[in-house]
Amino acid sequence: GESVGLHLPTLSVQEGDNSIINCAYSNSASDYFIWYKQESGKGPQFIIDIRSNMDKRQGQRVTVLLNKTVKHLSLQIAATQPGDSAVYFCADSPYGQNFVFGPGTRLSVLP
Amino acid sequence: DSGVTQTPKHLITATGQRVTLRCSPRSGDLSVYWYQQSLDQGLQFLIQYYNGEERAKGNILERFSAQQFPDLHSELNLSSLELGDSALYFCASSPGGTGSGNQPQHFGDGTRLSIL
Repeated sequence: GESVGLHLPTLSVQEGDNSIINCAYSNSASDYFIWYKQESGKGPQFIIDIRSNMDKRQGQRVTVLLNKTVKHLSLQIAATQPGDSAVYFCADSPYGQNFVFGPGTRLSVLP
Repeated sequence: DSGVTQTPKHLITATGQRVTLRCSPRSGDLSVYWYQQSLDQGLQFLIQYYNGEERAKGNILERFSAQQFPDLHSELNLSSLELGDSALYFCASSPGGTGSGNQPQHFGDGTRLSIL
C-alpha cells in the first residue's frame, strides 16, 4: 500500500538552532500535505499544510518545502525552542482522500 | 485547544468487554475521523463519517463500529476486546465534504484504552 515515511526517527538540536525534519512520500498522485506536532499526552496539532501546486509555504517560525520530483517533504523550524520538543508527523492525501501518516520523528531540543 | 472533545480520557477494562468512545467535533465541522495510535504502528486511520453517513473505511476491525448522530457527535464502539486493542484512540474533525482530504483535520486529545 501507499506509505509516508520519515527518514529519521529521532532528531536532537540545540536550542536556538534551526531544525529540519524530513519526510518521503510514495504516491505521485498526492496533492495535499500536512505536518502535525504531537506533544506527550496530547493529540496531533496542525502546524502547516501545502498543496502540490506550491514548492514552499511559510508560517510562524516554520517553513514547509515540497519537492515533487523526488517526492520529498520537509519541515523547517527556525530558532528551535524547548517548547518545540515533540513528535512530528507528516501526512499526505492521495486523490484528495484520507491522510496517510508517517511514523513520526521525535524532536528533542537540548539546552 | 482544537475544539474537538473526546471522552473519556482514560478507560481500563478487561478482555472480552465492550466500550464506547465519544467524540464531539469542532463547531461547524461535518466530518469526523477515528484513528488508532499504538506504539508500534503510529496513527492508523479507522473510519470517517460525514454528516451522519459513513464516508471512508480504513483499517477498522469487524469488532469495531462507529456512528455519527444528527447532532454530529460520533461514537466508536469496540467489542470483544483483546489485549492488542490497548492503544490511544483519536477523533479528528474537518469541515468535510468533497475533497475532505485537502483540509486540515483537527484532533482531540484522545482516549487511552488499556485492556487488562
